[in-house]
Amino acid sequence: SQELEQSPQSLIVQEGKNLTINCTSSKTLYGLYWYKQKYGEGLIFLMMLQKGGEEKSHEKITAKLDEKKQQSSLHITASQPSHAGIYLCGADFPNSGGSNYKLTFGKGTLLTVNP
Amino acid sequence: DTEVTQTPKHLVMGMTNKKSLKCEQHMGHRAMYWYKQKAKKPPELMFVYSYEKLSINESVPSRFSPECPNSSLLNLHLHALQPEDSALYLCASSQGEVLRIIDGYTFGSGTRLTVV
Repeated sequence: SQELEQSPQSLIVQEGKNLTINCTSSKTLYGLYWYKQKYGEGLIFLMMLQKGGEEKSHEKITAKLDEKKQQSSLHITASQPSHAGIYLCGADFPNSGGSNYKLTFGKGTLLTVNP
Repeated sequence: DTEVTQTPKHLVMGMTNKKSLKCEQHMGHRAMYWYKQKAKKPPELMFVYSYEKLSINESVPSRFSPECPNSSLLNLHLHALQPEDSALYLCASSQGEVLRIIDGYTFGSGTRLTVV
């Protein structure tokens, strides 16, 4: 079962529009990470959230973690073509042996911004 | 230096070849990771090194052999790979260990591996 559910899977918006991507877990999140990836390239770290109710912003991107620490949202204001890419949320979950924790990702959201 | 550097960027190898992927960071991070990413899928963890010791092996086949010669360097040795091993291999590092991550995980730009 997927431990992190991301929605939507893909999103097409017109330049200048606002958008929101969601990331949901059935378990309490100890650390929630947002990354951006261009196809076939590395992951660019956007933000890390650790506390319930925490909100961080960088340029036109804002990420929030809910009070229960089970849901996060990424909001982009006045989107630009440079925002296009795959957005991945990640969190630390116990590994298969249960003896350690590992960074596990949601399936990603493909964002297209049309000029 | 706030980067994770991976070499080579692209690699094509035959199924009988032996090759190595290299990852380097000079941020003083003591945890380093290998991830495998297939097309249109999220990255999946392969190995974790903490303080130069292997702490997680996610049941990866033995044809993949990780090595951490020092705190700045992480290698992934490849031998007798299969075409289905073709993927983007990503290296990452972090300051602190899981649940005590301080500034997130820093990823390299990856090595695009094709097995023919």
